[in-house]
Amino acid sequence: GENVEQHPSTLSVQEGDSAVIKCTYSDSASNYFPWYKQELGKGPQLIIDIRSNVGEKKDQRIAVTLNKTAKHFSLHITETQPEDSAVYFCAASANRDDKIIFGKGTRLHILP
Amino acid sequence: DTAVSQTPKYLVTQMGNDKSIKCEQNLGHDTMYWYKQDSKKFLKIMFSYNNKELIINETVPNRFSPKSPDKAHLNLHINSLELGDSAVYFCASSQSGGWEKLFFGSGTQLSVL
Repeated sequence: GENVEQHPSTLSVQEGDSAVIKCTYSDSASNYFPWYKQELGKGPQLIIDIRSNVGEKKDQRIAVTLNKTAKHFSLHITETQPEDSAVYFCAASANRDDKIIFGKGTRLHILP
Repeated sequence: DTAVSQTPKYLVTQMGNDKSIKCEQNLGHDTMYWYKQDSKKFLKIMFSYNNKELIINETVPNRFSPKSPDKAHLNLHINSLELGDSAVYFCASSQSGGWEKLFFGSGTQLSVL
């Protein structure tokens, strides 16, 4: 089955700087890669996703890149702000009816 | 007008008890899930239902029994609670399955003493 590895587990970034979180996956059939943000005491919330026919996707300060050959994808947050502090999860899904497998999460701290 | 609502938010109980967590979604989605998040924040799928039919049943002790009376509701009943069951349980829904955006509830913090 699919296995998703996520790094780093904790990341501290100065406010205004960029943050990058990286994930790798094992199943070459995976073709859907969402990213979720979980704030304290809340459920995860989708912030951006990418499908395998696209190499990069951007939404304001957030971007995701996908390298299918290397089986890795990354989340980039630019101009970080205090409200970006949260736990971020990458995930992968192999087909329309399959389950989504989550990485173990990255706790992002934005330092003032 | 919460999209996915689950109750209760907190559940504190003794070992050996039986408890239930309820979940409802008003998004008109076909698929609902239960996820377990342990103390290290690891999110693991437990069950998924599509239109009241069980689709995914991960390696979960049979003390856990999901029930979907209709496609808007997915409840989780846990028998003979153990210390290791302590975790946050999230209900989620999606339009039609693993290809789609998941909408999560706010979680139920279960503490077994």
